[in-house]
Amino acid sequence: ELKVEQNPLFLSMQEGKNYTIYCNYSTTSDRLYWYRQDPGKSLESLFVLLSNGAVKQEGRLMASLDTKARLSTLHITAAVHDLSATYFCAVGGSEKLVFGKGTKLTVNP
Amino acid sequence: GAVVSQHPSRVICKSGTSVKIECRSLDFQATTMFWYRQFPKKSLMLMATSNEGSKATYEQGVEKDKFLINHASLTLSTLTVTSAHPEDSSFYICSARDYGRGGKNIQYFGAGTRLSVL
Repeated sequence: ELKVEQNPLFLSMQEGKNYTIYCNYSTTSDRLYWYRQDPGKSLESLFVLLSNGAVKQEGRLMASLDTKARLSTLHITAAVHDLSATYFCAVGGSEKLVFGKGTKLTVNP
Repeated sequence: GAVVSQHPSRVICKSGTSVKIECRSLDFQATTMFWYRQFPKKSLMLMATSNEGSKATYEQGVEKDKFLINHASLTLSTLTVTSAHPEDSSFYICSARDYGRGGKNIQYFGAGTRLSVL
């Protein structure tokens, strides 16, 4: 059974700082997703990582995938308040996705 | 813009009534759609996989007679919560898999439906 562990679950950081969210998964999978969720809203797709060594960047967010270690990271650079949200990683192939518990990020001025 | 439309966004109903939620893929055909449930401050839990033209596949512990899923066309899946009770109150989110967009096989999520059963 595929299990996805995400940490930390809560992250409070100051604007301008850098931090990384980690996503570990238990069995081999061919893709990993990162999503953002704002309070009361649905999921917004951030990144889809398809292969070992994949790195994608969008603005202050950068995601990477190490399939050998079964680890993905979401790195936040020079955080700003607008990045405050809950971030989920999800793992899955052609079938269903299994989600991590989410990381609630709060960026303080 | 949104590629998956979910309706309604919010519904309040009395205990014992049934509620139908619609999920539509707007600009692609979705042979497979997924229904998730999310409790406050929790992650998403897959309830069932909806397959066009065939029966849905339910996850363990999800009552198929309680949560009726119909996927009658390539662009529409519905979830009906039958005889709703307060414990069914939750945020329900659908997603649809798009196999065609550059082969990325991405799931796009609807905006979610917040169900409150009184």
